[in-house]
Amino acid sequence: ELKVEQNPLFLSMQEGKNYTIYCNYSTTSDRLYWYRQDPGKSLESLFVLLSNGAVKQEGRLMASLDTKARLSTLHITAAVHDLSATYFCAVVTTDKLIFGTGTRLQVFP
Amino acid sequence: NAGVMQNPRHLVRRRGQEARLRCSPMKGHSHVYWYRQLPEEGLKFMVYLQKENIIDESGMPKERFSAEFPKEGPSILRIQQVVRGDSAAYFCASSLGWDRVFGYTFGSGTRLTVV
Repeated sequence: ELKVEQNPLFLSMQEGKNYTIYCNYSTTSDRLYWYRQDPGKSLESLFVLLSNGAVKQEGRLMASLDTKARLSTLHITAAVHDLSATYFCAVVTTDKLIFGTGTRLQVFP
Repeated sequence: NAGVMQNPRHLVRRRGQEARLRCSPMKGHSHVYWYRQLPEEGLKFMVYLQKENIIDESGMPKERFSAEFPKEGPSILRIQQVVRGDSAAYFCASSLGWDRVFGYTFGSGTRLTVV
């Protein structure tokens, strides 16, 4: 059974600082997604990573994938308050998404 | 393109009643997935359907829960004799099945409250 773990579960960081969220998964997969969820809202797709070494960047967020280590990272550069949300990674197995535990990010001044 | 449409957005049921949650996939999408999110938790896979077929129901509770995706009309997640523990947000996603890039599109969810 595929297991997807994220850490940290909760992250409180000051504006302007950098930090990384980690996503580990237990079996091989050919796709990994990152999503953002605001309180009471649905999921917003951020990135899809399809191959080993893939790196995607959008604004202050950068995601990478190491399929050999079964590890993806979401790096936050110079955080701003608008990035406060919960971030999920999700891995595809047998055509369905399995989600990580989520990382709740709070950015304060 | 209206995206994935779920209704109702909010649903309140008394213990013992039935809850019916609807999901209309994006136009052209024939694969539907249901997920449950308990408060302050991640999304848990429940069931994966294609038109008229259940492909994977490994995440569905064995009792009281059922899902269908008929040839015509939306996918339905049905919860019979609801209990307080069923209170959660239920999200539906759809996909083309073969599109690895765009993947899965999520609806806005149905928030079920059992009183």
